[in-house]
Amino acid sequence: QKEVEQDPGPLSVPEGAIVSLNCTYSNSAFQYFMWYRQYSRKGPELLMYTYSSGNKEDGRFTAQVDKSSKYISLFIRDSQPSDSATYLCAMSAKGNNRLAFGKGNQVVVIP
Amino acid sequence: NAGVMQNPRHLVRRRGQEARLRCSPMKGHSHVYWYRQLPEEGLKFMVYLQKENIIDESGMPKERFSAEFPKEGPSILRIQQVVRGDSAAYFCASSQQGDENTIYFGEGSWLTVV
Repeated sequence: QKEVEQDPGPLSVPEGAIVSLNCTYSNSAFQYFMWYRQYSRKGPELLMYTYSSGNKEDGRFTAQVDKSSKYISLFIRDSQPSDSATYLCAMSAKGNNRLAFGKGNQVVVIP
Repeated sequence: NAGVMQNPRHLVRRRGQEARLRCSPMKGHSHVYWYRQLPEEGLKFMVYLQKENIIDESGMPKERFSAEFPKEGPSILRIQQVVRGDSAAYFCASSQQGDENTIYFGEGSWLTVV
């Protein structure tokens, strides 16, 4: 079983729709959870950072972590064509700076 | 992520040559990481360094790959005797002391081995 599982998609949605992305993981030691956005031929950009379980909201973005189910989600409200990118989940354990990434989920927002 | 500077952005090497990738972390950051992204695969951790120290190299291939972060100057990822399978995007990232889990990435160096 891979440490982090993320369905690569692609996912196409109309402009204004809600985008829902998720990852599952197997390592119960993970406590830090991130979502990165990556445009083609660019570096990953940190979008959201969450410690342990719970929800975090930042503008149109909401990150959720359910440690009991080993499941994390990212929601993008009122999606825009500029949100078209690959979204990567990443996580790490306390005392270990090494990030474990999902494969990434390609999102296309259609105008 | 514009704060983490990587060069060159694109590098073409023939099989058997050496590739050197450089990374300057964000200002104030003392932790440097290298990740590799192969086509159709996710980012894979390679190595974690602090100034003059390799902290974790568990993701580095055992041969041909080395990394350093000297007291002065950028971090260097060195690949000797490159092979076609080394063609990938190599990303450098950095974080600061006390906030090690907030990691920022550079724009990447795309290595093509011909």
